[in-house]
Amino acid sequence: GENVGLHLPTLSVQEGDNSIINCAYSNSASDYFIWYKQESGKGPQFIIDIRSNMDKRQGQRVTVLLNKTVKHLSLQIAATQPGDSAVYFCAEKLDSGSARQLTFGSGTQLTVLP
Amino acid sequence: GAVVSQHPSRVICKSGTSVKIECRSLDFQATTMFWYRQFPKQSLMLMATSNEGSKATYEQGVEKDKFLINHASLTLSTLTVTSAHPEDSSFYICSARDPGQRGDIQYFGAGTRLSVL
Repeated sequence: GENVGLHLPTLSVQEGDNSIINCAYSNSASDYFIWYKQESGKGPQFIIDIRSNMDKRQGQRVTVLLNKTVKHLSLQIAATQPGDSAVYFCAEKLDSGSARQLTFGSGTQLTVLP
Repeated sequence: GAVVSQHPSRVICKSGTSVKIECRSLDFQATTMFWYRQFPKQSLMLMATSNEGSKATYEQGVEKDKFLINHASLTLSTLTVTSAHPEDSSFYICSARDPGQRGDIQYFGAGTRLSVL
């Protein structure tokens, strides 16, 4: 399953299928991006990050793709499991500024169907 | 990853009272911590950046006299919601960067659900 753009805040996929969550970031000066997973009533959990000098990074069952030309970031989850059900946020960090603040996207609710 | 502890996880208080929320980095020292606010079904909104040994930096529209931040040590930052009102009810989350690792990752606490009656 795949969602396109932040105007689709929900994504439902069958257990075992691959999930693709998309994020359009706002600032071309951002040099660092993170994906977080947030389960209901909990704080965000780090999943994977990528710097702007890369276009792809893989982790365990997850891959992040970065397209700086169109300012687009995606998170691919392989063989989605029920435990993957959560809200997923992308976050970007501007290249400048000493505080290294992150700006969060609006999030996508992923629901894994049995 | 690094561990950030946040306490309490839930607090219910009467209108007009003050509430203090603690954020601790358990296995690393954090010169910078961040405080966020999150409404249901919405994203995280940065309220302020907490700097050890100096004043916090507040985001535009956040009242510094209402949301008092103290970062007295390298492992503890506190957020005090003063004279809380029902509109302050929200989910408050802190985070910290571990400068010893890849320094831009923010590790989050479990959040504090504040309900003001």
